[in-house]
Amino acid sequence: EAEVAQSPRYKITEKSQAVAFWCDPISGHATLYWYRQILGQGPELLVQFQDESVVDDSQLPKDRFSAERLKGVDSTLKIQPAELGDSAMYLCASSLGQDLTNEQYFGPGTRLTVT
Amino acid sequence: TQLLEQSPQFLSIQEGENLTVYCNSSSVFSSLQWYRQEPGEGPVLLVTVVTGGEVKKLKRLTFQFGDARKDSSLHITAAQPGDTGLYLCAGPTSGTYKYIFGTGTRLKVLA
Repeated sequence: EAEVAQSPRYKITEKSQAVAFWCDPISGHATLYWYRQILGQGPELLVQFQDESVVDDSQLPKDRFSAERLKGVDSTLKIQPAELGDSAMYLCASSLGQDLTNEQYFGPGTRLTVT
Repeated sequence: TQLLEQSPQFLSIQEGENLTVYCNSSSVFSSLQWYRQEPGEGPVLLVTVVTGGEVKKLKRLTFQFGDARKDSSLHITAAQPGDTGLYLCAGPTSGTYKYIFGTGTRLKVLA
């Protein structure tokens, strides 16, 4: 069964350092999402791509976060510099398209700890 | 702003008991999805409901979409320890392609 891949699974970094996360969506899925999830809460959308274009990044802290999906396949989310408050689970999801009934499939996430 | 509120926030029950989790909004959603998430893992899609009044069953889990498409419920019959996890509802906001998630219900089933 096809899955969304993410790496690394765990990352510990010191504040002010740069950190990057990678996501490979299910093959053929045009829409890719990056979410941030604080422990015990629901995921919050950071950025949404349709192919290589950003559809929504209204909740992305653009002074320190950046995301790209250059060839419309895999994607990278970067934080520079990391802050203590960035400690969270970062989840990637993909769906066939933006149709509102399209189901999202999530990867296992990257657990980030900023010290 | 569209919000999805879930209740209860926490639920601890004994194996074999029944339970219901609710997902409510003041806004209409074209569809709602339910996910289960285990610690350290990503959410796993359980079901999508699209039609008002729709009922879907997945083994011991029964999902219902409200007639007005503003709310949904998840009922678990004879809960088992394997049902333990964070249950999330999610839906697309109107006029955009953006999904929002509910606040989550953390369920613990004790053996």
